[in-house]
Amino acid sequence: ETGVTQSPTHLIKTRGQQVTLRCSSQSGHNTVSWYQQALGQGPQFIFQYYREEENGRGNFPPRFSGLQFPNYSSELNVNALELDDSALYLCASSPKGTGNLAGELFFGEGSRLTVL
Amino acid sequence: GQNIDQPTEMTATEGAIVQINCTYQTSGFNGLFWYQQHAGEAPTFLSYNVLDGLEEKGRFSSFLSRSKGYSYLLLKELQMKDSATYLCAVRAAGNKLTFGGGTRVLVKP
Repeated sequence: ETGVTQSPTHLIKTRGQQVTLRCSSQSGHNTVSWYQQALGQGPQFIFQYYREEENGRGNFPPRFSGLQFPNYSSELNVNALELDDSALYLCASSPKGTGNLAGELFFGEGSRLTVL
Repeated sequence: GQNIDQPTEMTATEGAIVQINCTYQTSGFNGLFWYQQHAGEAPTFLSYNVLDGLEEKGRFSSFLSRSKGYSYLLLKELQMKDSATYLCAVRAAGNKLTFGGGTRVLVKP
């Protein structure tokens, strides 16, 4: 069983640029969530995708957007990067959508973004 | 809104017991999770409580009191490899988790 994989693992951008982060969900999982984790803090929910539709969003501006593809993989796009966007971006998959009772999330290793 | 509080840091000795407390205030409740995160790695699932009481899983136990908005994670027979950050997270509606800031546990020899 393949786990959640994310790419790239590390990247450096400058203010104003755009970035795309990618995630392949664990086999059999159709729900993908994205979290932002600043250094020394807990992960903050960005949004969740279920069956290619956004299914819940946290307190992040519209320049954070995403996609989910038919194979359940996902992208996180961030436009007009700001210094405060520097963080670890975690993708997590789970086996079901909103009806899942257990709700255990399986996290990828994350993409560490540095904005200069 | 949601508010989750846990201590920032705890230190304990190898072989000892440590209890990490988590208090929460949420609009809606559909389960509480504990995750372990080693430095530079992804969070990994430890436990899940949705009903009041104690869930035991080897050296780790987690307790929930919904009426008090309170949970704790108990780590017994501490090992050096238990040095990590422990994240308390609450699920309200859907499958969105709201995380606390994490408790960094340092195990000393």
